Amino acid sequence: QKEVEQDPGPLSVPEGAIVSLNCTYSNSAFQYFMWYRQYSRKGPELLMYTYSSGNKEDGRFTAQVDKSSKYISLFIRDSQPSDSATYLCAMRQDSNYQLIWGAGTKLIIKP
Amino acid sequence: EAGVVQSPRYKIIEKKQPVAFWCNPISGHNTLYWYLQNLGQGPELLIRYENEEAVDDSQLPKDRFSAERLKGVDSTLKIQPAELGDSAVYLCASSGTGQETQYFGPGTRLLVL
Repeated sequence: QKEVEQDPGPLSVPEGAIVSLNCTYSNSAFQYFMWYRQYSRKGPELLMYTYSSGNKEDGRFTAQVDKSSKYISLFIRDSQPSDSATYLCAMRQDSNYQLIWGAGTKLIIKP
Repeated sequence: EAGVVQSPRYKIIEKKQPVAFWCNPISGHNTLYWYLQNLGQGPELLIRYENEEAVDDSQLPKDRFSAERLKGVDSTLKIQPAELGDSAVYLCASSGTGQETQYFGPGTRLLVL
């Protein structure tokens, strides 16, 4: 079993819908949680970064961390075709810089 | 500000041939990472540099892979000889001292025939 599990999709939704992307993990020592967006033939780009539990909002994006369930989510409101990309979660421990990555979920927003 | 620069963007070689990838990180970033990304997977760390020192190369297959960052700025990753299973995207990333965010380059897409 992988340390970080992420449904590969693809997830296809109509423009304007609310999107929910999720990752589960097994290592309770993870404290830093990140969401990266990767467009085709590009490198990953950091979208959201959360330390420990709680919610964080940035424009149309909201990241949630539930450490009791070992579950993190990224919500995208008012989704746009330009949000079509692969979304990767990544996380790490306090004492270890190394990021552990999910496999990524491919998101398609249909106009 | 220029981002992380990688070259070449694409490379096609025959198995057993050598290949090299180059990365120039964001100016002032002391930490440099090389990752490998297979299709449908997240990046896998190969090596991490702090300035010119390789502080973590535990996942670098040292029988065929090597890397250097001689002056603590740009870096080269080499594979010799390449195998069919090395076909992947090789990503370079950099971060500033004490910064959490890793900034990625566009990657080099390698195809070994």
